[in-house]
Amino acid sequence: SYELTQPPSVSVSPGQTARITCSADALSKQYGYWYQQKPGQAPVLVIYKDIERPSGIPERFSGSSSGTTVTLTISGVQAEDEADYYCQSADSSNNYVFGTGTKVTVL
Amino acid sequence: EVQLVQSGAEVKKPGESLKIYCKGSAYNFANYWIAWVRQMPGKSLEWMGIVYPGDSDTRYSPSFQGQVTISADKSISTAYLQWARLEASDTAIYYCARFQGDEQKGEVFDYWGQGTLVTVSS
Repeated sequence: SYELTQPPSVSVSPGQTARITCSADALSKQYGYWYQQKPGQAPVLVIYKDIERPSGIPERFSGSSSGTTVTLTISGVQAEDEADYYCQSADSSNNYVFGTGTKVTVL
Repeated sequence: EVQLVQSGAEVKKPGESLKIYCKGSAYNFANYWIAWVRQMPGKSLEWMGIVYPGDSDTRYSPSFQGQVTISADKSISTAYLQWARLEASDTAIYYCARFQGDEQKGEVFDYWGQGTLVTVSS
């Protein structure tokens, strides 16, 4: 398998934009997915297939992909967005991999 | 609304066995894979394996093959994760998640259980 690399932490002021990257060679061929996990809670899907947003997820969450990197962008960050964020993908053998995780702190 | 409800927290001693469960509702349980995901204290998520309740087809992550057993009973919409002999290093939160593997959503875990905390300590 392989590792999906994320920055350990991102800090952002309310109303500003947070960008979280996730990198691996496999991402040039596989989709990326993003999950939000608040303390003491289960993960929640926020982006699927690189750019798609599930129903019920605020429009300020968006995804993008370029080469071997997928990016989760939170525009107009709110205090409630403070959480850990994990990317996820798959390998060619149908094994599923999660990223190292990024803690988003709202200042 | 789709729900996955997991069994409660467990405290076990090393060497003991354990089986935890995940019960689905509000969707056709037999037709969707169920995955198990481990989260050790302060760590990231790790995919352990997956079961298709419709025919009990099961696949394991190489990291967990032989360490746990995953199963399902479609008649009661329940998936299971079990250990024959627990170790202290099995201490973690274990989540079940519905896996949506199709053209529309790709390969994604779209609904999650609330998690089961397993503590293994002498």
